[in-house]
Amino acid sequence: DVQLLESGGDLIQPGGSLRLSCAASGFSFSSSAMNWVRQSPGKGLQWVSAISGSGATTYYADSVDGRFTISRDNAKRTLFLQMTSLTAEDTAVYYCAKERGEFWTGYNDFWGQGTLVTVAS
Amino acid sequence: DIQMTQSPSSLSAAVGDSVTITCRASQDISHYLAWFQQKPGKAPKSLIFGASNLEGGVPSRFSGSGSGTVFSLTISRLQPEDFATYYCQHYSREPPSFGQGTKVDIK
Repeated sequence: DVQLLESGGDLIQPGGSLRLSCAASGFSFSSSAMNWVRQSPGKGLQWVSAISGSGATTYYADSVDGRFTISRDNAKRTLFLQMTSLTAEDTAVYYCAKERGEFWTGYNDFWGQGTLVTVAS
Repeated sequence: DIQMTQSPSSLSAAVGDSVTITCRASQDISHYLAWFQQKPGKAPKSLIFGASNLEGGVPSRFSGSGSGTVFSLTISRLQPEDFATYYCQHYSREPPSFGQGTKVDIK
């Protein structure tokens, strides 16, 4: 069965940094583009970032571009999201989600359970 | 960026009813439209992609239609497990975006 298990969420002060991880199993990880999508009460579901199966191509929402970095370790079947200069606006549950193919389309056929990031002093 | 607008924001229905949720895109997105179901405290579950294609394992009482800017999700013969919040999402171009959600609860 496909499994995506996020970790790394925490309470962090404004201006701080955090790295999220997503451990994948049950599918060909290196053949699947991956996404991070976040959900907050005020803004609903918001796409954050994506990466191709090889890791060669990355994509970012304007709101996080220059502050967040997506990466992956295909040998370890793990997706990462390095977040810096965090603000209260980044408070959300962060989901990792998989696509069917290697190249990014924006459609995810399976989502992890999410990890909560709270930015507050 | 493309804006996605769902209607209604919420609806009440009984087990056995049929309900339809509408999603409108601010620009033509062809058929690049997906529907997700989310229950409280859980991850979104993919139901439909390409406007009308059911994901594996999704019951046939779920159906999607539309193209261009207007889309709909119909749930026929509501079952107790169908009470949830439903979201549409376009993936026609970067950035993909979601509707605000439609909560379906029990009448």
